Amino acid sequence: EVQLVESGGGLVQPGRSLKLSCAASGFTFSNYYMAWVRQAPTKGLEWVASITNSGGSTYYRDSVKGRFTISRDNAKSTLYLQMDSLRSEDTATYYCTRMDYWGQGVMVTVSS
Amino acid sequence: DVVLTQTPPTLSATIGQSVSISCRSSQSLLHSNGNTYLNWLLQRPGQPPQLLIYLVSRLESGVPNRFSGSGSGTDFTLKISGVEAEDLGVYYCVQSTHAWTFGGGTKLELK
Repeated sequence: EVQLVESGGGLVQPGRSLKLSCAASGFTFSNYYMAWVRQAPTKGLEWVASITNSGGSTYYRDSVKGRFTISRDNAKSTLYLQMDSLRSEDTATYYCTRMDYWGQGVMVTVSS
Repeated sequence: DVVLTQTPPTLSATIGQSVSISCRSSQSLLHSNGNTYLNWLLQRPGQPPQLLIYLVSRLESGVPNRFSGSGSGTDFTLKISGVEAEDLGVYYCVQSTHAWTFGGGTKLELK
């Protein structure tokens, strides 16, 4: 059974950092392009970042470029999202996904 | 950047009614490899999204065949032939031809 389990969320002050993890199981992680998608409270879905199966290429939405870093460890079947210089507008539930499977999401709240 | 415009934003339906949702892209979603990476998701309240349709018209495993997708280039449609209570929630189109972009969502509610 495919599972994606996010962790690392929480309450953080503006300007601080947070690192999300997504533990994958039930499939060959290294074969799949992966992404982070977020959803602010009561809002729609918003793509954040993607990474190719090898990790060789990464892609970001403009509003997080230079602040967020997506990465993966295929040996550990884990996807990461390093979030620096966090802003209040980054407050959202963050989902790890390969499009056909989604994690349950992890909440990130940026507030002083 | 690709913009996906979904209409209507809200849809009221009775059980058994057939409904359609439109998704229009600001540029063609035809990839150079010949595929069109336009998918449809359903997000039920309090749940993560689930994939319904991929590559415009292919039904994801386990999804009822009352769901169907069609379209090409920049215009796409999701049709539900006979709404059931479990279909209520927010529907999103999402493209992955040019990075990823989500439509604004269509909330399906009971009339």
